[in-house]
Amino acid sequence: RKEVEQDPGPFNVPEGATVAFNCTYSNSASQSFFWYRQDCRKEPKLLMSVYSSGNEDGRFTAQLNRASQYISLLIRDSKLSDSATYLCVVNEWKAAGNKLTFGGGTRVLVKP
Amino acid sequence: ETGVTQTPRHLVMGMTNKKSLKCEQHLGHNAMYWYKQSAKKPLELMFVYSLEERVENNSVPSRFSPECPNSSHLFLHLHTLQPEDSALYLCASSQAGSPYEQYFGPGTRLTVT
Repeated sequence: RKEVEQDPGPFNVPEGATVAFNCTYSNSASQSFFWYRQDCRKEPKLLMSVYSSGNEDGRFTAQLNRASQYISLLIRDSKLSDSATYLCVVNEWKAAGNKLTFGGGTRVLVKP
Repeated sequence: ETGVTQTPRHLVMGMTNKKSLKCEQHLGHNAMYWYKQSAKKPLELMFVYSLEERVENNSVPSRFSPECPNSSHLFLHLHTLQPEDSALYLCASSQAGSPYEQYFGPGTRLTVT
């Protein structure tokens, strides 16, 4: 089983619609979670951090379910500019440095 | 300059060449990382430096050699690479020992011919 699993998609989303997708993780010792956004041929950029049960930032809502070991990301009122690959990242932090484990990403295509 | 910078942005090298990738962070962090991203694969952690000491080496072949002269700079020395080493190489930095996020540089797109 992969440490962090994501549906690769693509999720084809009409502009203005809502889309949600999940990420499951296997390491129950994971302590914090992130969603990164990666555009084609660019570096990942932090979208949201999730330290407790969830986080909301504008049109984006992340929820964490530690019992079932999954994190979800919901995008409301999708914009064309939301088209990207969304990377689920699970963090186990140690004194020596963070160990981030990346999922394979979920591709989202928002269409007019 | 702010954030994390990487040079060069693109590199084409032959299998017998020696080259180096450079990363510099301007965020006051004390941990730095090298990742490899191949097509259609998740990011793979290669090396971790914390407080200028290498603390993790994820079974990376010896043809990749990292160097961290200080907490702001990180190098990846490359020699006798293989075509399958062609990928996007990303540098990141963070505060060691914290639960906070890593910040990535723009990456070096490497092609080995």
